[in-house]
Amino acid sequence: DTAVSQTPKYLVTQMGNDKSIKCEQNLGHDTMYWYKQDSKKFLKIMFSYNNKELIINETVPNRFSPKSPDKAHLNLHINSLELGDSAVYFCASREQDFDEQFFGPGTRLTVL
Amino acid sequence: AQSVTQLDSHVSVSEGTPVLLRCNYSSSYSPSLFWYVQHPNKGLQLLLKYTSAATLVKGINGFEAEFKKSETSFHLTKPSAHMSDAAEYFCVVKGGSYIPTFGRGTSLIVHP
Repeated sequence: DTAVSQTPKYLVTQMGNDKSIKCEQNLGHDTMYWYKQDSKKFLKIMFSYNNKELIINETVPNRFSPKSPDKAHLNLHINSLELGDSAVYFCASREQDFDEQFFGPGTRLTVL
Repeated sequence: AQSVTQLDSHVSVSEGTPVLLRCNYSSSYSPSLFWYVQHPNKGLQLLLKYTSAATLVKGINGFEAEFKKSETSFHLTKPSAHMSDAAEYFCVVKGGSYIPTFGRGTSLIVHP
């Protein structure tokens, strides 16, 4: 069984569109994250949700909005997509009292 | 505050020779330290972690790392490289905050 899953795996879209990426974890973890990995493999944390408390990374444009309908899901909605948003987006989760993160397989977003 | 520096962006070794991937960190708190591996087009997988127990940590696939507080280092080693070890490796530090900081990654290239 997949521990952390993301959909879609690939997303190709035009500039200006709005899109969402979904993440689900079946590990019962309390904390979930969204990361952006650029073309140079640099991983940058975007958001963290801990027991429904959102920690916003100030460097993330407000076009990006995470939504957590419940503890097992953390979706990422992106408005007015730009070329620079092209990247691989990873979801991850972590149990409250442990530090290890479990990563999803990633969503490769291409903005044309 | 916390930061992590991976000293080499690329490391190239021959199959069967030792691997050394270097990582230095800084943290205002007693840190937890991790190494993750990312194979091409895959998510990240935990190799090993240090959380204030034994300073020599053994991980999966024959990797190990030694926490050296005096040198603020957490270098990753393996006695004998295998072709399947070719991947991107990330050193991660987590101090007082529950938001981890990732290094910029080291690409391990293994030649036959």
